[in-house]
Amino acid sequence: KAGVTQTPRYLIKTRGQQVTLSCSPISGHRSVSWYQQTPGQGLQFLFEYFSETQRNKGNFPGRFSGRQFSNSRSEMNVSTLELGDSALYLCASSYALGGETQYFGPGTRLLVL
Amino acid sequence: GIQVEQSPPDLILQEGANSTLRCNFSDSVNNLQWFHQNPWGQLINLFYIPSGTKQNGRLSATTVATERYSLLYISSSQTTDSGVYFCAGESGSARQLTFGSGTQLTVLP
Repeated sequence: KAGVTQTPRYLIKTRGQQVTLSCSPISGHRSVSWYQQTPGQGLQFLFEYFSETQRNKGNFPGRFSGRQFSNSRSEMNVSTLELGDSALYLCASSYALGGETQYFGPGTRLLVL
Repeated sequence: GIQVEQSPPDLILQEGANSTLRCNFSDSVNNLQWFHQNPWGQLINLFYIPSGTKQNGRLSATTVATERYSLLYISSSQTTDSGVYFCAGESGSARQLTFGSGTQLTVLP
């Protein structure tokens, strides 16, 4: 079974631009969560989607948004990029909501100049 | 939300040595997991261990849920064990993993 895939793997943007990251979960998994990793803040939860609905959201500004499609693939969007948005963005998938292992993708490394 | 404290923050070992990494939680947690982050950034699942003890080769983990801590044991360390080890858990009904700040392990040849 293929693992979680994320595209693109690397991205360079400039301040003020917007970016869309994509995540394809493990086949059969319906829950997708997004996390941001920075040297200063560590790993922080962004949001979770299940059955095309956002079920939970972390403490991030409204510039961070996401969606999930009927095939469980998910995208996250960051608008009006700031230098501080430079980070590794990780997505994780699991079969259902709650109480089980989450499997992480390789991440998208975003650099904002 | 819960606080997750990992210790030690840094650990340097000689190849072949054993080590114990600790994770303390400020509140009871569900869905406790241990991860190893490889040099390219991917989080590799090591254990899903909300309670009890599990072993996988040279690695084992124990979670004492009533005392809100978990331990990861690495025996006969190899250089390929180097990297950052994270523990993470969910608390209450919040469906989000809260991560510790990690233990940076360096195994010297």
